[in-house]
Amino acid sequence: EPEVTQTPSHQVTQMGQEVILRCVPISNHLYFYWYRQILGQKVEFLVSFYNNEISEKSEIFDDQFSVERPDGSNFTLKIRSTKLEDSAMYFCASSFRLAGGSSTDTQYFGPGTRLTVL
Amino acid sequence: AQTVTQSQPEMSVQEAETVTLSCTYDTSESDYYLFWYKQPPSRQMILVIRQEAYKQQNATENRFSVNFQKAAKSFSLKISDSQLGDAAMYFCAYSSFGNEKLTFGTGTRLTIIP
Repeated sequence: EPEVTQTPSHQVTQMGQEVILRCVPISNHLYFYWYRQILGQKVEFLVSFYNNEISEKSEIFDDQFSVERPDGSNFTLKIRSTKLEDSAMYFCASSFRLAGGSSTDTQYFGPGTRLTVL
Repeated sequence: AQTVTQSQPEMSVQEAETVTLSCTYDTSESDYYLFWYKQPPSRQMILVIRQEAYKQQNATENRFSVNFQKAAKSFSLKISDSQLGDAAMYFCAYSSFGNEKLTFGTGTRLTIIP
C-alpha cells in the first residue's frame, strides 16, 4: 500500500540554524500539507500546497517557514532560523484531488519528523 | 472558524469491551467532513474512519463505527471488542468541503486494560 514517507525521523539542531524537513507524498496525490504537534498538544495546520503554490497557510507559518516541491516526488519544509519553540513533531500529509476540483479528500500522514532545537 | 472539542482527555476500557469516544464541533457550514485519527506511541497519525456530512448513514470500519448527529454537531467513535493494539491517542478532526486543512481536537488517550 502506498504511503507518505518523511526524512529524517529525528533532527537535532542548534537555535538559529536552518533545517529542511523532507517528505515524499503518495505518488498520485496532488495536494500536500504540513502540520506540527508540540509535545502533549494537538496537531496544528501549517500550510497546504497545490499546483506548485501555497493554497493556504496558518498564522504559525510566518516568514521563517517556506515550502517547496523541488522535483516530482519531494515536498520540503524549510525553517530558516530555528527557535526553541519550533521543537515539535512535524507531519507531512497528502491527498488525492477528486474529480470536479474539490480537494477535500482523506489526508494520509507520514510518520513525522521530530525536530529538537537546542 | 471551526472548532473541535474532545472533552475526555483520557479513557480506559477492558479488553474485549466497547468504548465510545466523544467529539463535538462547531461550524456554520452544511458540507464538511469529519475524521478520527489514531496516534499510537510511535506518534504516526493513522486514519481510523471518515464521515461525509451529507451522508445520513453512519460510517463503519470493522470494529470502529461512528455516531454522527449533525444537528447536535456530535461525532462519537465507538470501538467494539477493544484490543490491546487499540491503545493510542485518538484525535477527532474537521475539514470543510473544498478546503484542505484539518482542524483537530485535543485528543483522547485510550488505555486498554488486559
